[in-house]
Amino acid sequence: SQTIHQWPATLVQPVGSPLSLECTVEGTSNPNLYWYRQAAGRGLQLLFYSVGIGQISSEVPQNLSASRPQDRQFILSSKKLLLSDSGFYLCAWSSTGTGVSPLHFGNGTRLTVT
Amino acid sequence: TQLLEQSPQFLSIQEGENLTVYCNSSSVFSSLQWYRQEPGEGPVLLVTVVTGGEVKKLKRLTFQFGDARKDSSLHITAAQPGDTGLYLCAGRDDKIIFGKGTRLHILP
Repeated sequence: SQTIHQWPATLVQPVGSPLSLECTVEGTSNPNLYWYRQAAGRGLQLLFYSVGIGQISSEVPQNLSASRPQDRQFILSSKKLLLSDSGFYLCAWSSTGTGVSPLHFGNGTRLTVT
Repeated sequence: TQLLEQSPQFLSIQEGENLTVYCNSSSVFSSLQWYRQEPGEGPVLLVTVVTGGEVKKLKRLTFQFGDARKDSSLHITAAQPGDTGLYLCAGRDDKIIFGKGTRLHILP
């Protein structure tokens, strides 16, 4: 069966520090991968999605970046965190080739920038 | 820009009551999905509706996709405390757009 792992579960970082959140998927090949941010009262905001290794699409301009070094690994990074980067970050995957494939989410990372 | 509006934002009702939450858009979607999210976890898919006018039932939950594929509703019959959570709708076309969700609290 397919599983998605996201870590760490919680993170407290000072303003200006770097960030690296990692997400890995097991049990499937060539998944679509997504990074979402969920802020209170704002729903899920799509940050990045990837349809293949090295292919990253950015949805909103920001100081975050994403990389996909391997087929089932998706990394969210920042060189210098801002207070506004605080939030709940969710990684998700879906199967390719079908428009109704569900999103399968990890359990998220609660990031607090102080 | 495609937007999905969910209403109400918050709903607190007694166990055993019925409720309906809504998901509306001015855009047409090829499909629409409903997810439920528990605190500290990622959303989990409940249902996908594809055809305009489609109705799907999942135990006490009934999902309907509007005829024009722009809106959807979720009706819960005889709500139970286990139904408590954040209900999110997501419209799918070339992208996946989420609404802000309805936070539901069922009082025992």
